[in-house]
Amino acid sequence: EVQLVQSGAEVKKPGESLKISCKGSGYSFTSYWIGWVRQMPGKGLEWMGIIYPGDSDTRYSPSFQGQVTISADKSISTAYLQWSSLKASDTAMYYCARQSRGIAAAVNYWYFDLWGRGTLVTVSS
Amino acid sequence: QSVLTQPPSASGTPGQRVTISCSGSSSNIGSNTVNWYQQLPGTAPKLLIYSHNQRPSGVPDRFSGSKSGTSASLAISGLQSEDEADYYCAAWDDSLNGWVFGGGTKLTVL
Repeated sequence: EVQLVQSGAEVKKPGESLKISCKGSGYSFTSYWIGWVRQMPGKGLEWMGIIYPGDSDTRYSPSFQGQVTISADKSISTAYLQWSSLKASDTAMYYCARQSRGIAAAVNYWYFDLWGRGTLVTVSS
Repeated sequence: QSVLTQPPSASGTPGQRVTISCSGSSSNIGSNTVNWYQQLPGTAPKLLIYSHNQRPSGVPDRFSGSKSGTSASLAISGLQSEDEADYYCAAWDDSLNGWVFGGGTKLTVL
C-alpha cells in the first residue's frame, strides 16, 4: 500500500528538542519530494518546506527558515522535522505530504497527492 | 494573513451547487497551476483537484475546478452532507519560491 506513516503524538516542554518522522512505503521514496505542512489549532495550512530524499536537497519557507530542520534518511525511506528548542507557539498538527509531478503542454505542474495522518505536537510547561 | 484569499465560509442545501473562490496574484495563480484540498473534520487534507481542473482517481465528478487570470474556483454540484469540510486552494509562488495556501473555506451543508 502506498502510504506515509507519521510518528505518534508528542507532549514536550518549552526549550526541549524534538524530531518527528514520516516513513514512506509502497513507492520509490527517493523519487518524490516530501513536504511538511503545519496546522495550528483551529487554523489553516502553512507550508514549512520540502526535501528531495534522493539527494537531500531542501527548501524552506521564509517563515520557518532557521526555526526547524528538515532532513531525510533514504536508507529507511524516512523524512524528519526537528526543533532544537520548542516554544509554546509550536503547538500544532504537522503533516508530511508527497509532492508529485505532472506535465501538460510541456509545462511541469506539482501537487501534494499523498498525505500522512499528522503528528500532534503539544508544547506546554 | 494568507497569500491566497478565500472566503472563510460557504453554505448550501443538499443538491445545490456551491462555488468557492481563491484569489491570488501573478506570482502564484497567475503563473502556476492551482490545487484544491479537502479536509474532513479531524482528518488529514486530501487532494481534491490538481492542475486547475483535474480530479484524482476516486474523486466524484461533482467536484470541478477552474482558473481565470489570478483567480481560481472550486465548484461542488449536487451537494451532499458528506461534503461538509474545510477546503483549501494552493499554488506555487515564484516570488516566495514556495507553496502558498488559501486561508481555507468552511463549507456547511444546511
